Amino acid sequence: DSGVTQTPKHLITATGQRVTLRCSPRSGDLSVYWYQQSLDQGLQFLIQYYNGEERAKGNILERFSAQQFPDLHSELNLSSLELGDSALYFCASSVGGGRDTEAFFGQGTRLTVV
Amino acid sequence: GDSVTQMEGPVTLSEEAFLTINCTYTATGYPSLFWYVQYPGEGLQLLLKATKADDKGSNKGFEATYRKETTSFHLEKGSVQVSDSAVYFCALSGSQAGTALIFGKGTTLSVSS
Repeated sequence: DSGVTQTPKHLITATGQRVTLRCSPRSGDLSVYWYQQSLDQGLQFLIQYYNGEERAKGNILERFSAQQFPDLHSELNLSSLELGDSALYFCASSVGGGRDTEAFFGQGTRLTVV
Repeated sequence: GDSVTQMEGPVTLSEEAFLTINCTYTATGYPSLFWYVQYPGEGLQLLLKATKADDKGSNKGFEATYRKETTSFHLEKGSVQVSDSAVYFCALSGSQAGTALIFGKGTTLSVSS
């Protein structure tokens, strides 16, 4: 158990809908990262938050947004969903923002868009 | 931009065989390098890391050496076990995407007894 909790584990929704994925980082970790894993694209970095502030952006679509709350949990919002958004979404956390810091991953949320 | 390239899988080996999974990277600056492993149905776990040139990371019999001259970080194990069957990801951190990990596409390893 990595200590990172993601909910829900599975989500099935229709095209055009909006969903929210939730991540609780390990106790004491200030950084939260979101990744999308799909068969064709592999693991893609979406966005990073550090202590409530956006730190870095990767390949995140404009239809997607995220935030980190004062209690450090994070939410990833996906809207106007398309079939191609079906993927495994991982959250990871780390103590700080340093490049040497180990990131701990949750078990992921599997999103299926039908 | 920064990127990581891994050998395509799947890699199929018999128990006790020698394993090499090749990984090369493209990055500005001096990134840290990592190998993560993903077992079926689970999230990724850190296997080993190296933070500067010529560093060797090691864990559970796996090793990888940070080679700046060849921009490589190949993963090796002298004798694989069935329990090593998993997907292995090479990654870098500390470059254009800040401290976020940039991953290769992953290599599936299947070990049979």
